[in-house]
Amino acid sequence: GAVVSQHPSRVICKSGTSVKIECRSLDFQATTMFWYRQFPKQSLMLMATSNEGSKATYEQGVEKDKFLINHASLTLSTLTVTSAHPEDSSFYICSARDFDTDTQYFGPGTRLTVL
Amino acid sequence: DAKTTQPTSMDCAEGRAANLPCNHSTISGNEYVYWYRQIHSQGPQYIIHGLKNNETNEMASLIITEDRKSSTLILPHATLRDTAVYYCIVRVSYSSASKIIFGSGTRLSIRP
Repeated sequence: GAVVSQHPSRVICKSGTSVKIECRSLDFQATTMFWYRQFPKQSLMLMATSNEGSKATYEQGVEKDKFLINHASLTLSTLTVTSAHPEDSSFYICSARDFDTDTQYFGPGTRLTVL
Repeated sequence: DAKTTQPTSMDCAEGRAANLPCNHSTISGNEYVYWYRQIHSQGPQYIIHGLKNNETNEMASLIITEDRKSSTLILPHATLRDTAVYYCIVRVSYSSASKIIFGSGTRLSIRP
């Protein structure tokens, strides 16, 4: 099946710093990528949808100035958590839609801990 | 996208078939049924999807009722590694506006 990678898999940072998470589709082109967040014992929550070359669309309640998304190519999207605080600690998961099959594949996730 | 209803949890004996039901009574004609699973601390894994015909792949089978208002995911010979949360999702395919919204899913436990 199609593979989506994320980097880093785990990051610990101090409060007030910014953290960038990369998401890559390794063997397919993804015109659309998605970012989700998951808190312990909860389901995945969609944060935003990004289309290559255009601005991301954020779900209600998600601060676009805090969670910066860039989708510069058909295989790479980045999520930057700016001025991170402890409440931003979560499991962040990206997803990429295969243009040919229209199936959405998910990355392994990035666990962010803000101290 | 249509809403789905799944049991909160199920269990199954190792080696037996695991049958996971999903209700999607408000599904539209152009919406597909997708199944994903999430093993603890990992990203969701795509399993299978279908429109109206039954589908089978190396992981599972998907049985969709004739009226398309419900479906069943079948794992033919469950193993301990199949312990996960299983999500049934309906969405329109080949639509730029379509996105996957996760419900609570079914927590499947496989007992030895």
